[in-house]
Amino acid sequence: GAGVSQSPRYKVAKRGQDVALRCDPISGHVSLFWYQQALGQGPEFLTYFQNEAQLDKSGLPSDRFFAERPEGSVSTLKIQRTQQEDSAVYLCASSPTSGSAETQYFGPGTRLLVL
Amino acid sequence: EDKVVQSPLSLVVHEGDTVTLNCSYEVTNFRSLLWYKQEKKAPTFLFMLTSSGIEKKSGRLSSILDKKELFSILNITATQTGDSAIYLCAVEGWGQGAQKLVFGQGTRLTINP
Repeated sequence: GAGVSQSPRYKVAKRGQDVALRCDPISGHVSLFWYQQALGQGPEFLTYFQNEAQLDKSGLPSDRFFAERPEGSVSTLKIQRTQQEDSAVYLCASSPTSGSAETQYFGPGTRLLVL
Repeated sequence: EDKVVQSPLSLVVHEGDTVTLNCSYEVTNFRSLLWYKQEKKAPTFLFMLTSSGIEKKSGRLSSILDKKELFSILNITATQTGDSAIYLCAVEGWGQGAQKLVFGQGTRLTINP
């Protein structure tokens, strides 16, 4: 079956532009996560949804970052007034339950480059 | 603050060698430790460990957890060029946002023919 998909796969933005990154989780998956992976680093947690509820947004680095999942399925991560330090791969993951992390499946990521 | 440290950060070996990758951690209310392989972008799941001393094995890969000393190792025997990847270790703690993973920096493994 289809896995987690993300779009766009690559995004180049000029500093100061707003960007929107989309995540389509596996159908029926309750939990959805966003991670940020800078070059040469491991992924870092940004935010977590259970259905449409955003239960944890402790990892969002600033108020320029905003995530939503209005219908409990597709999620969008929005970054306003992008800065060069926002350049990273943004990974989305989904899980069928709020149980074990073993069931967390990752998407291919969106590589964001801010010039 | 939860923390995961992996070593070495980079490792280059010849095909057929055996490698051991290390992961040490500090986490509040430990729930599990996971290993992932990342070849291009999406990390793919390898193992989840919750109990000390019980080896998990899949083909040439194996892993074990020591909850007293707060570390885990990932072993790969008879390495092949297809094992070249970044190997990520992550820990999960109990609490709201369970499944929230804290990752290490990763070990970049290169297998030369």
